[in-house]
Amino acid sequence: AQSVTQLGSHVSVSEGALVLLRCNYSSSVPPYLFWYVQYPNQGLQLLLKYTSAATLVKGINGFEAEFKKSETSFHLTKPSAHMSDAAEYFCAVSFQTGANNLFFGTGTRLTVIP
Amino acid sequence: DSGVTQTPKHLITATGQRVTLRCSPRSGDLSVYWYQQSLDQGLQFLIQYYNGEERAKGNILERFSAQQFPDLHSELNLSSLELGDSALYFCASSPGTEGYGYTFGSGTRLTVV
Repeated sequence: AQSVTQLGSHVSVSEGALVLLRCNYSSSVPPYLFWYVQYPNQGLQLLLKYTSAATLVKGINGFEAEFKKSETSFHLTKPSAHMSDAAEYFCAVSFQTGANNLFFGTGTRLTVIP
Repeated sequence: DSGVTQTPKHLITATGQRVTLRCSPRSGDLSVYWYQQSLDQGLQFLIQYYNGEERAKGNILERFSAQQFPDLHSELNLSSLELGDSALYFCASSPGTEGYGYTFGSGTRLTVV
């Protein structure tokens, strides 16, 4: 079965500190992987995506993620947190064959402490 | 503005009623997807249409139905509403059927009272 697991429903970091949000996937076929961000009362905005090109993917707002097949992981990082990064982050997976609907993780709420 | 337009933004209705949510995809996108976001279920895929045809179905209740019209806008119809149907309903669109991720609208918040 295909699924996504986000470790940690809440993560708090100090402003300027490293942000690390964890995502592991389960897939029997090559996956596409995504990170989306949701600000309060807004829709989901695509941060970055992995579609089988470079394993290190750079996204918007200084975020990046690395696809590690051996670890079935796609963790999201940002070297220095900003107050405006406070939001909910969702990891999602779809597949290179078959239907391309997204399977979402349960989300991680990021709090940035001044 | 993502380019995906959803109306209305908020909807309050009573149990047993029927509502229609509307979505206009980004210009040029042929696929439309509907998702439900609730506190207990998270983000759940409901259904996908591609160029007017149903393409994939997820956890969509029989009380719910959708369609995509020739101008590519889509409507999600929710009937015999229950309190548990209260949620954010998102529409997303993509150019085709490849799994490259898609663009979400800002959602319709449905409250059933």
